[in-house]
This record gives sequence, structure tokens and C-alpha cells, in this order.
Amino acid sequence: EIVMTQSPATLSVSPGERATLSCRASQSVSSNLAWYQQKPGQAPRLLIYGASIRAPGTPGRFSGSESGTDFTLTISSLQSEDFAVYYCQQYTNWPTFGGGTKVETK
Amino acid sequence: QVQLQESGPGLVKPSETLSLTCTVSGGSISSYHWTWIRQSPGKGLEWIGYIYHSGSTNYNPSLKSRVTMSVDTSKNQFSLKLSSLTAADTAVYFCARAVYYHLDYWGQGTLVTVSS
Repeated sequence: EIVMTQSPATLSVSPGERATLSCRASQSVSSNLAWYQQKPGQAPRLLIYGASIRAPGTPGRFSGSESGTDFTLTISSLQSEDFAVYYCQQYTNWPTFGGGTKVETK
Repeated sequence: QVQLQESGPGLVKPSETLSLTCTVSGGSISSYHWTWIRQSPGKGLEWIGYIYHSGSTNYNPSLKSRVTMSVDTSKNQFSLKLSSLTAADTAVYFCARAVYYHLDYWGQGTLVTVSS
């Protein structure tokens, strides 16, 4: 099983600031990586797939990048609606998720 | 707009079998992979398995012995059965649509509690 490790577990950011979330795979997943946003009481929402392709409806302030087995989700200027938990998910072999990063107000 | 809705019991006894159904509206089930995901505080998000409209399935190796999925294209529904339940199976269960294994549409989720 490919293990996905997200860091930090919690990120405290002020509105308008940049947020950088990390996800590391235990082995190569190529670009088979998605990012999701989840708010309390809701299902996760797809933001990014293919490591860097924004899903329809994803604002341009969200971007994804990769370097080997390290993946990054960047929110360029945090808006109030962006405070949530973010998960990465690989789909190279059996799909697995990371443990999540909670983005909270500083 | 594609919408998914889970239905089934919220409380199931240990050792019994959980049965959930997902109804798809706003689009045909006759394409894509249709999946079940669960989320618990202890294990986070876990992909249970998926089924194609043809009925072909693929299950999480850790749950394979207890999982059965089926599809009813005439009703635009797919279903999950999970047997031999324990407290560790207590979770929110989501159904979702997979496009090349990333999940673009989700149901709202249903909480299933395993308790006597």
C-alpha cells in the first residue's frame, strides 16, 4: 500500500496570506495525485487532479505542483471560504488518502 | 448536474451485514466507475471499492473478504454490502463517481454506527 503523508497537520494562516500544504508519497505515484477540500459536515470536494490540473469550478488561487514523490497544494491568497481540511489522494495503484491538513485562521 | 444520495440504516448490530444504496441522478450510471468511500476518526478516508456499470468490481484488499458491490442500471443505483461488522466499521459512508480514480461527484454521506 502506498502511504501518503501530509504536513503540517494544522496550518494557521491569516486571510489574504499564502498557504502551502505538503503531501509525500512512500513511493512513486507519477502524477496520479488529487487534492480535495472538506468542510465540516460535508463531503470532500475535488480541487486538483493529475497533480496540477484544476477541476471545473476550482478558483485560480489554488495550484498544485510536484517534485518526485513530493506534492504541494498552494493557495495564493487565502479567502474566508478556504478554511477547511485538505486531503491528497494517490491513484497509481490501490487509491489511498493522506491524513489531511487543517487550515485554520491565525 | 450529477447528484448522488446514499440510503440505508444508521445503526447496525455487530456481526451483521451493512447494506447501503446510492442513487445517481442528473446523469447515467452507464459509464464511469462508481465508488464507496468511508471516513472514520481512527482511519481517516478509506476507499472501499468500486464498480463499473458492467458489474465488474475491484475491492480494497483489506476489506475484500467482507465486501460485495452491485449495480442496477435500470434504477441508476449501485449498492454496498459489508459483512461481519465490528465497531471498527463505524464511519461516515460516502458514494462517489470516479473519473480515472479521482472523485469528482460525492454523495453527502451517511453515518453508520455499529453497536448492539
